[in-house]
Amino acid sequence: EPEVTQTPSHQVTQMGQEVILRCVPISNHLYFYWYRQILGQKVEFLVSFYNNEISEKSEIFDDQFSVERPDGSNFTLKIRSTKLEDSAMYFCASSQTGDTQYFGPGTRLTVL
Amino acid sequence: DQQVKQNSPSLSVQEGRISILNCDYTNSMFDYFLWYKKYPAEGPTFLISISSIKDKNEDGRFTVFLNKSAKHLSLHIVPSQPGDSAVYFCAFSMNRDDKIIFGKGTRLHILP
Repeated sequence: EPEVTQTPSHQVTQMGQEVILRCVPISNHLYFYWYRQILGQKVEFLVSFYNNEISEKSEIFDDQFSVERPDGSNFTLKIRSTKLEDSAMYFCASSQTGDTQYFGPGTRLTVL
Repeated sequence: DQQVKQNSPSLSVQEGRISILNCDYTNSMFDYFLWYKKYPAEGPTFLISISSIKDKNEDGRFTVFLNKSAKHLSLHIVPSQPGDSAVYFCAFSMNRDDKIIFGKGTRLHILP
């Protein structure tokens, strides 16, 4: 069964450093999303991406965040200058048009 | 963000009995209602969904009920099995391609 994959599974970084989280969505999906879950809190929407552009973003997704689909398979989330409060599980999701969102296993980001 | 409330942080049910998970919401604009299950160190896994034009949807052991007048969503699992032990999130969106808004989750323990 096709699945969303994410790398790395765990990323440790120093505050102020840039990180890139990678996702490979399900191959025939057209809509792509990033969510995050801070420990003990809800899963929160960050950004949605369709047709090579951002379709919606949350208040969390400020100028420090960016997304890219550099080729036909990868979907990346970049945080330019990480802060302590960026520590969380980051989940990528994808869906076909009018279909359910399927989530990857997540990347645990730890900012020291 | 209090749009979605799962008031029971945990629930224990005997194997073979019915598990009933509940969720309340406040936003009457929600059109698509979902349940996700999450195991530790994994991403949310889609279980079942229902659109606002229905009040019940069934898939094997899982049935979702929607009471629009009460703004209440529930998930019934019968019979409950050990593998059902997980965190269950109710989730909502304006339409199928839109961002998902998650509840805080209910941890379900299936007792032998």
